[in-house]
Amino acid sequence: EDKVVQSPLSLVVHEGDTVTLNCSYEVTNFRSLLWYKQEKKAPTFLFMLTSSGIEKKSGRLSSILDKKELFSILNITATQTGDSAVYLCAVLNTDKLIFGTGTRLQVFP
Amino acid sequence: DAGVIQSPRHEVTEMGQEVTLRCKPISGHNSLFWYRQTMMRGLELLIYFNNNVPIDDSGMPEDRFSAKMPNASFSTLKIQPSEPRDSAVYFCASDSRTGATNVLTFGAGSRLTVL
Repeated sequence: EDKVVQSPLSLVVHEGDTVTLNCSYEVTNFRSLLWYKQEKKAPTFLFMLTSSGIEKKSGRLSSILDKKELFSILNITATQTGDSAVYLCAVLNTDKLIFGTGTRLQVFP
Repeated sequence: DAGVIQSPRHEVTEMGQEVTLRCKPISGHNSLFWYRQTMMRGLELLIYFNNNVPIDDSGMPEDRFSAKMPNASFSTLKIQPSEPRDSAVYFCASDSRTGATNVLTFGAGSRLTVL
């Protein structure tokens, strides 16, 4: 059965800290891995990764994929209170996205 | 572009009642997905459609759940009869399979509470 596992489940940090969120997967017919950020409402897209070793960056966020070891990490540097959210990892197989349960990040001033 | 539109945003009903959730995907998107989100199980795919045709409904929990997509701009998810364990946020999402991105765009969700 296809599955996506995220860790940690929850993380509490202070502003300015750097965090690393993990995502491992077991999926047949892997096509790509996506990261989403979910605040109070719908998940919003952050990154899509298809190739190993190529880092995607957007401001203080970055992500990389390792297709050999079947995992991805999402890094957030110099965290801010606005980064508080649930971060979801999802893997696309042939035709559907399979989500992990998410990592809840809380950033305190 | 108004994005994916879901209604109602909130629904509170009593056990045994029928619930109908509605979704209007982004114009031009030919794939539509229904997800359910709970604290315990996260985001679970219930069913998805491609060009209005149901492709995979293996995530539908039981016969009480049904979904239709009569045309490219409208889909419904129905629960009959509803039970308290159906309480969750139900998301609709769409994307365009004509491209290679497969980046789902989510609606704001319908929060269902079954008493």
